[in-house]
Amino acid sequence: KAGVTQTPRYLIKTRGQQVTLSCSPISGHRSVSWYQQTPGQGLQFLFEYFSETQRNKGNFPGRFSGRQFSNSRSEMNVSTLELGDSALYLCASSFWTGTEAFFGQGTRLTVV
Amino acid sequence: QKEVEQNSGPLSVPEGAIASLNCTYSDRVSQSFFWYRQYSGKSPELIMSIYSNGDKEDGRFTAQLNKASQYVSLLIRDSQPSDSATYLCAVIEGGSEKLVFGKGMKLTVNP
Repeated sequence: KAGVTQTPRYLIKTRGQQVTLSCSPISGHRSVSWYQQTPGQGLQFLFEYFSETQRNKGNFPGRFSGRQFSNSRSEMNVSTLELGDSALYLCASSFWTGTEAFFGQGTRLTVV
Repeated sequence: QKEVEQNSGPLSVPEGAIASLNCTYSDRVSQSFFWYRQYSGKSPELIMSIYSNGDKEDGRFTAQLNKASQYVSLLIRDSQPSDSATYLCAVIEGGSEKLVFGKGMKLTVNP
């Protein structure tokens, strides 16, 4: 069974640009969550999608948004990038909301 | 958001010793608890899930849960250098069912 796939693995963007990250969950999983990981803050919850609906949202500005498609694949978008957005962005999929979550390899975003 | 607290660490143990990692959580209605291992530069990997009070063993790993004390721990027996990683405690919040992580504890096992 294929795991969680995130693309791209690495990104370098300039301040003010926008970026879109993609996540394909494990086959059959309907819940996708996104996290931001930085050395100082640890894993910070961004949002969770289940059956194309956003179920939960973390304390991030509106520049961070996401969506989920009918095949459970999810994308997250960050607009007007800031230097502080440099981080590892992780996607986790679960069969159902509130169950075991499995992570993808992450997307390392660097904003210069 | 409810809190998940882990000892700040880091923790260093000799090879063959028992490593003990602890976690407390603030949400009294939480029912699902997890331990993840994260090697440097890699993503978190689920190593243990526990849902009921008591101990759950899987190989060299034992997870312990005490809901009354809002405490969950991970014991690693016969620690190996390959166990050197950051261990993350995670809790499903009651109500929102959001998965919340502690900041992690870095474990080093010295040969």
